[in-house]
Amino acid sequence: NAGVTQTPKFQVLKTGQSMTLQCAQDMNHEYMSWYRQDPGMGLRLIHYSVGAGITDQGEVPNGYNVSRSTTEDFPLRLLSAAPSQTSVYFCASSSLRLDIGEKLFFGSGTQLSVL
Amino acid sequence: AQTVTQSQPEMSVQEAETVTLSCTYDTSESNYYLFWYKQPPSRQMILVIRQEAYKQQNATENRFSVNFQKAAKSFSLKISDSQLGDTAMYFCAFMKHVNTGKLIFGQGTTLQVKP
Repeated sequence: NAGVTQTPKFQVLKTGQSMTLQCAQDMNHEYMSWYRQDPGMGLRLIHYSVGAGITDQGEVPNGYNVSRSTTEDFPLRLLSAAPSQTSVYFCASSSLRLDIGEKLFFGSGTQLSVL
Repeated sequence: AQTVTQSQPEMSVQEAETVTLSCTYDTSESNYYLFWYKQPPSRQMILVIRQEAYKQQNATENRFSVNFQKAAKSFSLKISDSQLGDTAMYFCAFMKHVNTGKLIFGQGTTLQVKP
């Protein structure tokens, strides 16, 4: 199993450009999410999904779109990149049984810089 | 809204000694889960330990243990016999709803283990 795969690992954008961060998992997990990590602020939840066709907003959703057309994939779209979106982005997935000891699996992160 | 606070941005410890990282949280929920994650320079997110709020017994994983004080809303991590490989950023995290997988993270504590 590959686990949670994020691409790309690094990306530089100009202000106003759009792009999609890809996330795929091969563990048949219902739950997938996107976090951003900023210095001094920990990880903050952007969007999440509890299954195909179901998405919801997290703590910092503005400027980002998501969709969940399959169980495996959960892409994050930046429609018009802004310097404030410079961050490290993590995708995570899990079964919906974190109560019985299941783990939240993280991808390796994407370092995004918006100039 | 739930909040998680880690008041120690940076800490250091000598190899083989013991160090305690602090975490406090705010919630009105009675049932929830708490986690400590380790993030080494590789950026990988590694689950260190988890605690169920309904369990009075403190969780232990090898050299890692927690001091969970539910009334005080405190969840500290003790690392015994510190090793150079423990050098990393450590995040405390809170999960309110069991089956949504939504985590709220603290700001993080950077721990350096000195030889």
